[in-house]
Amino acid sequence: EPEVTQTPSHQVTQMGQEVILRCVPISNHLYFYWYRQILGQKVEFLVSFYNNEISEKSEIFDDQFSVERPDGSNFTLKIRSTKLEDSAMYFCASRYLTGTSRGGEAFFGQGTRLTVV
Amino acid sequence: ELKVEQNPLFLSMQEGKNYTIYCNYSTTSDRLYWYRQDPGKSLESLFVLLSNGAVKQEGRLMASLDTKARLSTLHITAAVHDLSATYFCAVEMGNQFYFGTGTSLTVIP
Repeated sequence: EPEVTQTPSHQVTQMGQEVILRCVPISNHLYFYWYRQILGQKVEFLVSFYNNEISEKSEIFDDQFSVERPDGSNFTLKIRSTKLEDSAMYFCASRYLTGTSRGGEAFFGQGTRLTVV
Repeated sequence: ELKVEQNPLFLSMQEGKNYTIYCNYSTTSDRLYWYRQDPGKSLESLFVLLSNGAVKQEGRLMASLDTKARLSTLHITAAVHDLSATYFCAVEMGNQFYFGTGTSLTVIP
């Protein structure tokens, strides 16, 4: 069964360092997302990406964050200068859209646990 | 901003009992999803509810959607230990999923 894969599963980084979280969405999916979940809290939307550009982003997704799809298969989230409060589980998700209709569940990767020390 | 609230936040129930988790949301939407999350794991899709009155069942779980009341329920029938997990509802609006606070379910033998 197709699945969204994320690497690494756990990343520890020092405050101020740059990190890149990687995701391989399901191959025929068109919309891609990053969400994060601070330990014990709810899942929060960061950004959605379609047709090689950001379609929506939350207020969490400030200038420290960027996303790209460099090669048609990977989808990356970069945090330029990590802060302690960036420590969270980051989930990548993708889903397939048909025509102009919206719908269908998003499939989530297993997550990358980011720990900023 | 769309607000999604679940209750209860924590639920401890005995095996064999029935219970319902509620998901209320603040703005009209006719697309709602239920996910399950085991500790330290990803989000597993359980149900996709795409219209008012939608009802879906899988095993001991049944989900329904009332878009007029802005309410979805996840009903657990004859709970078993394997159902212990955190359950999230998520409402779609625009191209975002707005997640509820989650309900941590513990089924006690």
